[in-house]
Amino acid sequence: AQRVTQPEKLLSVFKGAPVELKCNYSYSGSPELFWYVQYSRQRLQLLLRHISRESIKGFTADLNKGETSFHLKKPFAQEEDSAMYYCALSLGGFQKLVFGTGTRLLVSP
Amino acid sequence: SAVISQKPSRDICQRGTSLTIQCQVDSQVTMMFWYRQQPGQSLTLIATANQGSEATYESGFVIDKFPISRPNLTFSTLTVSNMSPEDSSIYLCSGRRSDYGYTFGSGTRLTVV
Repeated sequence: AQRVTQPEKLLSVFKGAPVELKCNYSYSGSPELFWYVQYSRQRLQLLLRHISRESIKGFTADLNKGETSFHLKKPFAQEEDSAMYYCALSLGGFQKLVFGTGTRLLVSP
Repeated sequence: SAVISQKPSRDICQRGTSLTIQCQVDSQVTMMFWYRQQPGQSLTLIATANQGSEATYESGFVIDKFPISRPNLTFSTLTVSNMSPEDSSIYLCSGRRSDYGYTFGSGTRLTVV
């Protein structure tokens, strides 16, 4: 079965520090990988998907098929980045999303 | 991307009763999904809803407990039946069009007393 692992429940950094939220997956094929963010009292929002290879709010994520990873990175964290981040995997098309357990990012001033 | 309106946003219900949650999408989506998010935990898929066919349930979830309707490409409902306190959770719907990621409703926070 497909599985998404986010090893850190909480990541606490200071403003301006680099951030890396780890995500590993288990699937032998070619999945679609996503990062979703949930700010306090807001709905889940799509942050990134690996297909588009874009940078949103300064965040980037590269799919590494050899290491089966899709880590989320930002060179300089901002306080407004504090939120819950979920890595998710889909087998493509209209298949379900499988979520990791989430990492809470806390950026302190 | 599609915008999903979900209601109610929260409810407090007596055990043994049922609650129906509605999701309305502002554009047609091919597939809709229903998730449960228990306090402090990640999202767990309940079922996948396709128009015109019976929903597909994940292991541990059954149609009698969580009946789902999907009458058209912009609407779906999830009913939580014969509720117990263990059903207290946040329930979310999600949809996907062919050209984008998955969009989520704002969630329904259910408390069963």
